[in-house]
Amino acid sequence: EAEVAQSPRYKITEKSQAVAFWCDPISGHATLYWYRQILGQGPELLVQFQDESVVDDSQLPKDRFSAERLKGVDSTLKIQPAELGDSAMYLCASSLDGGAGGETQYFGPGTRLLVL
Amino acid sequence: DAKTTQPTSMDCAEGRAANLPCNHSTISGNEYVYWYRQIHSQGPQYIIHGLKNNETNEMASLIITEDRKSSTLILPHATLRDTAVYYCIVSAFLGAGSYQLTFGKGTKLSVIP
Repeated sequence: EAEVAQSPRYKITEKSQAVAFWCDPISGHATLYWYRQILGQGPELLVQFQDESVVDDSQLPKDRFSAERLKGVDSTLKIQPAELGDSAMYLCASSLDGGAGGETQYFGPGTRLLVL
Repeated sequence: DAKTTQPTSMDCAEGRAANLPCNHSTISGNEYVYWYRQIHSQGPQYIIHGLKNNETNEMASLIITEDRKSSTLILPHATLRDTAVYYCIVSAFLGAGSYQLTFGKGTKLSVIP
């Protein structure tokens, strides 16, 4: 069964350092999502891509976060510089077509970030 | 976007049916009800979704009331591996061909031996 791949699974960094997360969606999925999940809360959408274009990044803290999906397949989420409050699980999800109602999002295992 | 209300936690005896309720009184006609679950430290797992009709798959059944203001997820024979946080979500249609999921805090289901 096809799955969303994410790496690394765990990342420890010091504040003010740069950190990057990678996501490879299920083959053929046009829509890719990045979520952040703080301990004890549900996932919060950061950015949504349709192919290589950003559909929504209204919740992305653009002063320090950036996301790209250059060829419309895999994606990278970057934080620079990292702050203590960025410690969280970063989840990637994909769907066939996020513009169609009733489409299912499939999530990867996540990257757990700890900022010291 | 439509908000959902779920109990914070529930217990269920192993082997019995688990019935998880969800209220979504402000749901719009083109918004779907989704259920995901998240086992500790893993990514959310899709369970089931529906628009108006009741749905069933190999994992669960989804019962949506006729007025669509509430729904119930049914796990027919709960096992210890079903212990997880269950999220009820109404997909938000943002226009321009974009649907999004907004997660709440979910229901912590504990299956008791």
